[in-house]
Amino acid sequence: GNSVTQMEGPVTLSEEAFLTINCTYTATGYPSLFWYVQYPGEGLQLLLKATKADDKGSNKGFEATYRKETTSFHLEKGSVQVSDSAVYFCALSTNFGNEKLTFGTGTRLTIIP
Amino acid sequence: DVKVTQSSRYLVKRTGEKVFLECVQDMDHENMFWYRQDPGLGLRLIYFSYDVKMKEKGDIPEGYSVSREKKERFSLILESASTNQTSMYLCASSLSSSSVTEQFFGPGTRLTVL
Repeated sequence: GNSVTQMEGPVTLSEEAFLTINCTYTATGYPSLFWYVQYPGEGLQLLLKATKADDKGSNKGFEATYRKETTSFHLEKGSVQVSDSAVYFCALSTNFGNEKLTFGTGTRLTIIP
Repeated sequence: DVKVTQSSRYLVKRTGEKVFLECVQDMDHENMFWYRQDPGLGLRLIYFSYDVKMKEKGDIPEGYSVSREKKERFSLILESASTNQTSMYLCASSLSSSSVTEQFFGPGTRLTVL
């Protein structure tokens, strides 16, 4: 079956530090990969996605590259801000049309000024 | 903007009570989902629906049922609440498409069963 393994948290960084949150997956077929973010008190929202190997998703300074050879989709940002403090979820889907998602356990990120 | 609303942000119920969690979306999405979110476990899919009156079990359907009588509304029902159903419940919706689409989430209902 499908599964997503995410870097354990919590992660605490100083403002302007470089961020990496690791994500690896196991899936049948060719999944689409996603990063969702959950800000305090809110539901999840899509941060970025990639639908095929070597695709790079990017948004709000965050990037992730779909690496089929290492089955990974690591999230990176060059310089984090306090407003990036949130919980980040890696997810995959192998069902086009109804987009059933399999999520990782989430990584809580706290940025200190 | 897509809006997914959930009937309550916080809910406290007693063991054995029947509990209804309501979710409404306003963008005519075909697909709707119910997840529960627990620390260290991430989000786990309880049920989903890809059309009115259609439903499919997710990964953890035991103890839950759902109802979708109208396209915009998807209800999660706990027939007899138990303490191990204390959790955050998230509803989501998405457009049915031949290409990859995103899920839009509601703010969640934090349910406590005493």
